[in-house]
Amino acid sequence: QSALTQPASVSGSPGQSITISCTGTSSDVGDYNYVSWYQQHPGKAPKLIISDVNKRPSGVSNRFSGSKSGNTASLTISGLQAEDEADYYCSSYTSRSTLGIFGGGTKLTVL
Amino acid sequence: EGQLVESGGGLVQPGESLRLSCAASGFGFSNYWMSWVRQAPGKGLEWVANIKYDGSEKNYVDSVKGRFTISRDNAKNSLYLEMNSLRAEDMAVYYCARDQWQQLIVWGQGTLVTVSS
Repeated sequence: QSALTQPASVSGSPGQSITISCTGTSSDVGDYNYVSWYQQHPGKAPKLIISDVNKRPSGVSNRFSGSKSGNTASLTISGLQAEDEADYYCSSYTSRSTLGIFGGGTKLTVL
Repeated sequence: EGQLVESGGGLVQPGESLRLSCAASGFGFSNYWMSWVRQAPGKGLEWVANIKYDGSEKNYVDSVKGRFTISRDNAKNSLYLEMNSLRAEDMAVYYCARDQWQQLIVWGQGTLVTVSS
């Protein structure tokens, strides 16, 4: 099945805010609130940072927030820090498959 | 929220088999769906398979259907992925994860599968 669409890269300076979009369809992002975001540093396993569109697991900084409008979900990181430099993946429940689907990933560079 | 530890990766030749294991601790393993996700070198994440908490339902990505088998032993808090007829395109880091409505709440550290002659 088709992946969710994310920008390949975004960048921002320390202290700034950035937003990463994740566009799907009415069969996934648009119709279900099971949208999640994962942070992956080089050589490390992915880590859940947002679930259910906008819920932060315990221990995740409140600088990370999630939202959704129509078929597009978004991850916003405020007060950018050097440690935020990583790859970010979105994922969604989909009615078109018995497995979830991922976005292609976005590389965040902190300038 | 628990911990997951994968093992069993390694170097195999095309056409050979490998069995991955994932040991769970710190949560009620038998209450949760579980998934395997892989990441080829330099590439994104790909959902490979998932299994219902009681093992009664199993799902696979099309590219591994008929070659891979996901299973679990709830008495041993363990998840498995039996991989047969391995191909070069199966080379990846394989992660096991706790699955909650196709959201991956806890991930293991991953195990590398290298397929090369």
